Amino acid sequence: EPEVTQTPSHQVTQMGQEVILRCVPISNHLYFYWYRQILGQKVEFLVSFYNNEISEKSEIFDDQFSVERPDGSNFTLKIRSTKLEDSAMYFCASTSYRAGNSPLHFGNGTRLTVT
Amino acid sequence: LAKTTQPISMDSYEGQEVNITCSHNNIATNDYITWYQQFPSQGPRFIIQGYKTKVTNEVASLFIPADRKSSTLSLPRVSLSDTAVYYCLVGDDNTNAGKSTFGDGTTLTVKP
Repeated sequence: EPEVTQTPSHQVTQMGQEVILRCVPISNHLYFYWYRQILGQKVEFLVSFYNNEISEKSEIFDDQFSVERPDGSNFTLKIRSTKLEDSAMYFCASTSYRAGNSPLHFGNGTRLTVT
Repeated sequence: LAKTTQPISMDSYEGQEVNITCSHNNIATNDYITWYQQFPSQGPRFIIQGYKTKVTNEVASLFIPADRKSSTLSLPRVSLSDTAVYYCLVGDDNTNAGKSTFGDGTTLTVKP
């Protein structure tokens, strides 16, 4: 069964550094998402992306965050200047269509630790 | 988006059937009900989705009463590996799937 893959599985960085989290969505999917889950807390929506542009974003997704689909397969999340509170699991997901009844396919996440 | 309410935690034993109920009193006409499972340090995984009555797949059943204000995920004969957090989400075909709101979920603990 096709999978969403994320790299790296674990990223440690110092406060103020830039990080790029990478995702390869399922190949025939058109809608891509990033979520965040702080340890012990809820899965939180960050941003959705379609047709090479952001379609929706949450309040969490401020100017420090950006997303890009640099080629036909990768989908990246960049955090420009990391803060301690950015430490979390970051999940990428994709769907074949936009509707709320479209099942989300998640990757296994990148654990980001900011020191 | 309709708000959902689930029990925070449930315990069960291997081999038992587990039923997790989700309340969604404000569900709209076009809303679907979707359940996800999440293991520690993994992304949520789609389990099952339904609109009304009963849906069954190879891992679970979903029961939705006529008023659709609640739904019950049924896991037959659970094993230790079913220990996970289970999320109930509600969304319609006009909602961006990605903005689905994950609540607190139900932590299911299966004991030997």
